[in-house]
Amino acid sequence: QQQVKQSPQSLIVQKGGISIINCAYENTAFDYFPWYQQFPGKGPALLIAIRPDVSEKKEGRFTISFNKSAKQFSLHIMDSQPGDSATYFCAASKVDSNYQLIWGAGTKLIIKP
Amino acid sequence: NAGVTQTPKFRILKIGQSMTLQCTQDMNHNYMYWYRQDPGMGLKLIYYSVGAGITDKGEVPNGYNVSRSTTEDFPLRLELAAPSQTSVYFCASRSGGWNLSNEKLFFGSGTQLSVL
Repeated sequence: QQQVKQSPQSLIVQKGGISIINCAYENTAFDYFPWYQQFPGKGPALLIAIRPDVSEKKEGRFTISFNKSAKQFSLHIMDSQPGDSATYFCAASKVDSNYQLIWGAGTKLIIKP
Repeated sequence: NAGVTQTPKFRILKIGQSMTLQCTQDMNHNYMYWYRQDPGMGLKLIYYSVGAGITDKGEVPNGYNVSRSTTEDFPLRLELAAPSQTSVYFCASRSGGWNLSNEKLFFGSGTQLSVL
């Protein structure tokens, strides 16, 4: 019940295209869902996050879509750029858990020029 | 600003050796975390601390120990290194609170550890 399943493992998208990464969770007590971006040799950095009281959150070219009934959430990257090439992690936690995040396995995204 | 600093960046240990991974942050954050990252496995929480003198186990604490004597430092100790502890280790910190617009983990650049 503590798992967060992320797909796909890897993704190749043409420059200007839409990148979509999906995550599913089992624990209905989770109420905080961030996405982190990691470049090689660096630690992850927060990209965008959502709470389950909204179904969508947009920041620039990045959008989280959240489906509470299906227990799924996804990251959409519009107009994907080569600089977006990185590994993306979804995660989930309970607000009162001292930010103990349960992480997905990661998606390696490559944007082809 | 330095943020979260981890040392060393790379280390090779022999089975049974011990070592301490250092982590220090200069943001006066109360919360600090140690994660390990294995290929294709995401990040797993080893230990975390909510303030000086207070630590607690995460998902995978076996084989590790931590201490938090100051707000700035959160070292991770491996007592008897095993091949299963070959991984990339990340230290992270956050200030605390649940204002979604502000809350996030600040990560160090990681320590790549090989146990042979």
